[in-house]
Amino acid sequence: DGGITQSPKYLFRKEGQNVTLSCEQNLNHDAMYWYRQDPGQGLRLIYYSQIVNDFQKGDIAEGYSVSREKKESFPLTVTSAQKNPTAFYLCASSIDRTGTDTQYFGPGTRLTVL
Amino acid sequence: DAKTTQPTSMDCAEGRAANLPCNHSTISGNEYVYWYRQIHSQGPQYIIHGLKNNETNEMASLIITEDRKSSTLILPHATLRDTAVYYCIVRTLSGGGADGLTFGKGTHLIIQP
Repeated sequence: DGGITQSPKYLFRKEGQNVTLSCEQNLNHDAMYWYRQDPGQGLRLIYYSQIVNDFQKGDIAEGYSVSREKKESFPLTVTSAQKNPTAFYLCASSIDRTGTDTQYFGPGTRLTVL
Repeated sequence: DAKTTQPTSMDCAEGRAANLPCNHSTISGNEYVYWYRQIHSQGPQYIIHGLKNNETNEMASLIITEDRKSSTLILPHATLRDTAVYYCIVRTLSGGGADGLTFGKGTHLIIQP
């Protein structure tokens, strides 16, 4: 099946620990994105990447880091510097880097920091 | 990107057409109107998008007014599985950077049996 996978679906961590969320796509898309969603709210952009080995900060990048070593993978690390990390995290991809294409989303990872 | 305004919630009877409005009065000429929906605890699902002309696909129809200041998403025969939050997004053609989508709070559509 083609698509975007995120794992795990639910993740629990203790306060002060870094945690890495996985995002993989086999759609051969150039661009990938990470969003955060809080209860009852819309999505907010954390980071995006247009091409391998390049990424840009979104609206709420503080306390997060990413890497793009492979076209199909865009992992997100939630660091201990993120003040309120409990949220629903969504990964998306789009076919090319021009910003005009439709973004397709993965199923999401719900992170709870205890 | 232009701001959008949507009703907070709407009800629709199963089997009837669901018409979801969106106002985007500050839209500029190179901005598309996109619609996504999100079923509880899932990732958003792309529905449809358009620039000027009305569009139709297997999921829905998009009607954009002539002045482009508002649009309506139509689900022709709503089912219980269409209960979701529907987001109307206006997207600038950034032309050089793949920036993110701006999601507001959307419309919570509830399909009644």
